[in-house]
Amino acid sequence: DTGVSQNPRHKITKRGQNVTFRCDPISEHNRLYWYRQTLGQGPEFLTYFQNEAQLEKSRLLSDRFSAERPKGSFSTLEIQRTEQGDSAMYLCASSLELVGQFFGPGTRLTVL
Amino acid sequence: SQKIEQNSEALNIQEGKTATLTCNYTNYSPAYLQWYRQDPGRGPVFLLLIRENEKEKRKERLKVTFDTTLKQSLFHITASQPADSATYLCALGEGQAGTALIFGKGTTLSVSS
Repeated sequence: DTGVSQNPRHKITKRGQNVTFRCDPISEHNRLYWYRQTLGQGPEFLTYFQNEAQLEKSRLLSDRFSAERPKGSFSTLEIQRTEQGDSAMYLCASSLELVGQFFGPGTRLTVL
Repeated sequence: SQKIEQNSEALNIQEGKTATLTCNYTNYSPAYLQWYRQDPGRGPVFLLLIRENEKEKRKERLKVTFDTTLKQSLFHITASQPADSATYLCALGEGQAGTALIFGKGTTLSVSS
């Protein structure tokens, strides 16, 4: 499978716990994006990497959120001290220059 | 404030008809606009990209127009089929290529046979 993959697909956690999600982009894509989507809304941009450099970060992104892309390949998104409002679908996408972004299946996070 | 509006939350049409979805924006100067399809429980799937200097783009039964004066994009599906039923999202891209997309809420299209 040469598409974008995300793990885990589902995560249930208790409020206050830390969670980490992984994204494996399409191998030749140098750009990687994280979005968050809640029911009835479009995806909301969180952060963007070009290779290993994090070039853009939404000002809406709390300091509890951190993302990395070591070596410019896979990426991780960590949420510390989760809150119920963090419950959402977390989507990863990758692209090569100015073409459409290819999205993964998402990780659905439920914070109890 | 910046805003993207997809005028209808839901659109119901008969099979074989043309579906037309609208995306309006204010206080943006997008370099390009993209349309995506999203099925329930799945990530969006890229359909078409149109640049600010392009008026129209086609791909099979899909057609997109981009009017920067009206600040509007129209997305057409001709000869619609029940398999076209999904949520369609428009997304604006600003600044340099490949940076963050700003999505509308989407329009859910239902095509009945």
